[in-house]
Amino acid sequence: EAGVAQSPRYKIIEKRQSVAFWCNPISGHATLYWYQQILGQGPKLLIQFQNNGVVDDSQLPKDRFSAERLKGVDSTLKIQPAKLEDSAVYLCASSIGQETQYFGPGTRLLVL
Amino acid sequence: KNQVEQSPQSLIILEGKNCTLQCNYTVSPFSNLRWYKQDTGRGPVSLTIMTFSENTKSNGRYTATLDADTKQSSLHITASQLSDSASYICVAALYGNKLVFGAGTILRVKS
Repeated sequence: EAGVAQSPRYKIIEKRQSVAFWCNPISGHATLYWYQQILGQGPKLLIQFQNNGVVDDSQLPKDRFSAERLKGVDSTLKIQPAKLEDSAVYLCASSIGQETQYFGPGTRLLVL
Repeated sequence: KNQVEQSPQSLIILEGKNCTLQCNYTVSPFSNLRWYKQDTGRGPVSLTIMTFSENTKSNGRYTATLDADTKQSSLHITASQLSDSASYICVAALYGNKLVFGAGTILRVKS
């Protein structure tokens, strides 16, 4: 069974630029999550999708972050414009309902 | 406020030795307690999941305990190996599958 795929693995941008991350969940997993993990901290949920609908985006900075999950499969997370404090690892995870969440390898973002 | 606290922040042990990592949680409504292992540059991987009715659960050399009364959990690693070097994250799950993550304990196993 293929795991959660994410790309790119690394991204370096300058502040005020835009960036997008892509995630392809495990086949059949209806629930998809985006997390932000700052160095030395645990992951923080940004947004949770159930199929193509948003379940929880209470911690998503909506003035600069957006996410979509068209057709209820893969998803993109966008930051526009990026700030220095957005430097982090962005993790995508998927699950079947309330079951274990399976994480992808993450995208490491550095904002200069 | 829902939160998870872990200790120690970091730990260095010799290969072959045992170690125990601690976790205190304050979440409501509590559903289950999870331990994840996160290797450097990778996403977290689930080790154990325990509901409030389970006191202990093992996964190979990893044994997790849960005391739902005191809201404490521990992860015991037996006969450590170099490959155990990683960050170990304690996660409290609320009903609705919302997860509250601890900051993790960074374990380094030396030869």
